[in-house]
Amino acid sequence: DGGITQSPKYLFRKEGQNVTLSCEQNLNHDAMYWYRQDPGQGLRLIYYSQIVNDFQKGDIAEGYSVSREKKESFPLTVTSAQKNPTAFYLCASSAFSGSYNEQFFGPGTRLTVL
Amino acid sequence: GQNIDQPTEMTATEGAIVQINCTYQTSGFNGLFWYQQHAGEAPTFLSYNVLDGLEEKGRFSSFLSRSKGYSYLLLKELQMKDSASYLCAVLDSNYQLIWGAGTKLIIKP
Repeated sequence: DGGITQSPKYLFRKEGQNVTLSCEQNLNHDAMYWYRQDPGQGLRLIYYSQIVNDFQKGDIAEGYSVSREKKESFPLTVTSAQKNPTAFYLCASSAFSGSYNEQFFGPGTRLTVL
Repeated sequence: GQNIDQPTEMTATEGAIVQINCTYQTSGFNGLFWYQQHAGEAPTFLSYNVLDGLEEKGRFSSFLSRSKGYSYLLLKELQMKDSASYLCAVLDSNYQLIWGAGTKLIIKP
């Protein structure tokens, strides 16, 4: 079955540690996205990538980093510079980033920084 | 700035009809999406409108008025499993999705 996987579903880290969230898709989609969702708020775009080896900052990129070495994979690193990292992180992909941009989402990773 | 407004929470009765409104002010418009999100899960696609009018898909319908910057999602014959958050998102002039905060829909028996 085609889809997007994120692991782990729950993640706990100590303050000051970097942590990497994985996102893999087998939908053959060109574009991939990382969002952050906080209680009572909409999805906020962290980074997106339209093609391998290229990515763009979203609205809240500070304290995060990404890579796109393979079409299927778009890992997100939450660095110690992110001041408030506890949140629900969602990865998404779409066939292209132009018009009719239906995005398909992974199950999400809930990160808690202690 | 870009802004999408939805009611925070709505309550409806099983078997009834509910309308969830969404108003938007964005830099350009290339379509409007509605997604459903159950608590702790990923959003799933419900509908897409780019032209004015009503799109019907089973128990769910979505309406768009571009001149008014307005959309609504209509849910008929409500079922308990429809209890979820409903997210409105607009594709702006840069083809980026701008998301509303979502409307939490509570269905009562």
